Amino acid sequence: DTEVTQTPKHLVMGMTNKKSLKCEQHMGHRAMYWYKQKAKKPPELMFVYSYEKLSINESVPSRFSPECPNSSLLNLHLHALQPEDSALYLCASSPIAPSSDSYNEQFFGPGTRLTVL
Amino acid sequence: ILNVEQSPQSLHVQEGDSTNFTCSFPSSNFYALHWYRWETAKSPEALFVMTLNGDEKKKGRISATLNTKEGYSYLYIKGSQPEDSATYLCAFMDYGGATNKLIFGTGTLLAVQP
Repeated sequence: DTEVTQTPKHLVMGMTNKKSLKCEQHMGHRAMYWYKQKAKKPPELMFVYSYEKLSINESVPSRFSPECPNSSLLNLHLHALQPEDSALYLCASSPIAPSSDSYNEQFFGPGTRLTVL
Repeated sequence: ILNVEQSPQSLHVQEGDSTNFTCSFPSSNFYALHWYRWETAKSPEALFVMTLNGDEKKKGRISATLNTKEGYSYLYIKGSQPEDSATYLCAFMDYGGATNKLIFGTGTLLAVQP
């Protein structure tokens, strides 16, 4: 199974709502990533988890709260978002240590399209 | 701040045309260069991971070259087909340890007309 799944596909939320995005992979990858992509811009890294521990936080506002409950799951908890947070949120996973073959090739999910009203 | 640039931003070609795009990246601290293909409403799909100066990789009608000394990579598509229509993203990886970061370019949007 080389698939990364993300739910929901679309999410509309108000600025006072609390919601969560979910990501799942069963490839045995021990690195998982959250990216944010705004229209006509490249995906921007938000968080990296290695062995279920947060290893990189790219100065993301605290209204985004990541969680990695086990090696297959990655969540992104959302609270008090702003309209400018509307974007496509992509999850990815990769093998943890670079090998001569993978160089951390990342496998992406299809994303969650988030709209904040 | 690492800058990865792609050109052109978009490209419209006829079926059967051959085409190529460019990815420019910092030439220092190079570790790897990734190419991804991203069709609308689907997941970005890895095409190539390139690591050595002078690398050439090929997958079917798509090939890529790498020049790490001058900081560029070319992606070629021979005999474009409508199913090649997608955004092609390159991503630079600098050496940072076990979980290296990818810095993406803005992509080249390819539209192939039947």
